[in-house]
Amino acid sequence: EILMTQSPGTLSVSPGERATLSCRASQSVSGNLAWYQQKPGQAPRLVIYGASTRATGFPARFSGSGSGTEFTLTISSLQSEDFAVYYCQQYSNWPRTFGQGTKVEIK
Amino acid sequence: HVQLQESGPRLVKPSGTLSLTCVVSDDSITSNNWWTWVRQPPGKGLEWIGEIFHSGVTTYNPSLKSRITISVDKARNQFSLKVNSVTAADTALYYCARSYMILGGALDIWGQGTLVSVSS
Repeated sequence: EILMTQSPGTLSVSPGERATLSCRASQSVSGNLAWYQQKPGQAPRLVIYGASTRATGFPARFSGSGSGTEFTLTISSLQSEDFAVYYCQQYSNWPRTFGQGTKVEIK
Repeated sequence: HVQLQESGPRLVKPSGTLSLTCVVSDDSITSNNWWTWVRQPPGKGLEWIGEIFHSGVTTYNPSLKSRITISVDKARNQFSLKVNSVTAADTALYYCARSYMILGGALDIWGQGTLVSVSS
């Protein structure tokens, strides 16, 4: 089973600032990495797939990078609607596995 | 647009069986996708439970494999989850989702989730 580790656990950011979230896999997942956004009381939403491709409905301020074992989600200028918990997930191997999440909160 | 909707009992007794169904709208369960269950204990992160292809092929989380069964009903365009011998640790929000193979298997559509509590 591939272990996904996200850092930091909580990120305090002011609106308009940049947020950088990290995700590390215990072994290579190539580019088979997704990021999800979850707001309170809502189901997760796909933000990024294939490590760097934005999903429908997400603006260009969201970007993903990385391959192999190290991945990054960057939100270039945080808007109020971006404060949420973000999860990474590998879909390279079964069982699929999620990171423990990074909460992006208002500073 | 594609929608998934979970349904099932919200309260299950300890040692009983949790049963949920996910109805798929505006996509065929026989499309070239996998159909997935994910759960989230209150206040905690996401746990992948398992998934099924319309042929009936399944893959499960090893930590749950001995207690779970995922099945598909092509006639009703739905898939289901059963968890046996439940305990309080199985209390969670249960989501169904589509593992979209055009995106390599990312979960692009999610149901709204249903909270299942295990309690006597």
